[in-house]
Amino acid sequence: GESVGLHLPTLSVQEGDNSIINCAYSNSASDYFIWYKQESGKGPQFIIDIRSNMDKRQGQRVTVLLNKTVKHLSLQIAATQPGDSAVYFCAENYGGSQGNLIFGKGTKLSVKP
Amino acid sequence: DVKVTQSSRYLVKRTGEKVFLECVQDMDHENMFWYRQDPGLGLRLIYFSYDVKMKEKGDIPEGYSVSREKKERFSLILESASTNQTSMYLCASSLRRSKAYFGPGTRLTVT
Repeated sequence: GESVGLHLPTLSVQEGDNSIINCAYSNSASDYFIWYKQESGKGPQFIIDIRSNMDKRQGQRVTVLLNKTVKHLSLQIAATQPGDSAVYFCAENYGGSQGNLIFGKGTKLSVKP
Repeated sequence: DVKVTQSSRYLVKRTGEKVFLECVQDMDHENMFWYRQDPGLGLRLIYFSYDVKMKEKGDIPEGYSVSREKKERFSLILESASTNQTSMYLCASSLRRSKAYFGPGTRLTVT
């Protein structure tokens, strides 16, 4: 399988618990942030995004929190399921007209049944 | 739904060969990107393109070139493949200042 999970921070949670994955971003000028999920052998999938004029955004079972003061982003997953096991990446866009993203190294989430 | 397709899931090439990786998106996105992904290093941007025939170097362009002759297609070229280019290659596309959609990836092995 894909070895994208090697050498990554790992979060292990029990099925049904809530998960919180954290990300520190690098550029105070960043104004758009995205969370991606990558399952083994697949490309990253979009989960949720947030712009810098917001502190919180909710999706289905997921919430993203943005703290611009300390340049911190978090992804909360409610009632974590085995299908949530994956590597999660945050990405930031620090401006410019073209929109290329800078990705974090990722966190591997393992869900125990 | 946005669809980004890549020409191959797995490729095995020999050192010195010229390698073409093709990417096609069907949502009329202006931006297209090529990343490589290696264990412990995350996603690193090789090249991106914000319009037809336009290209910009990313963080690690050495040993690669790109071509964008049509809006929907973005090709990554390894002029002379080397073993240190063994990696997972991911293509993505996006509208300007919006989320990127990724293809399934091409696992390239150079022997």
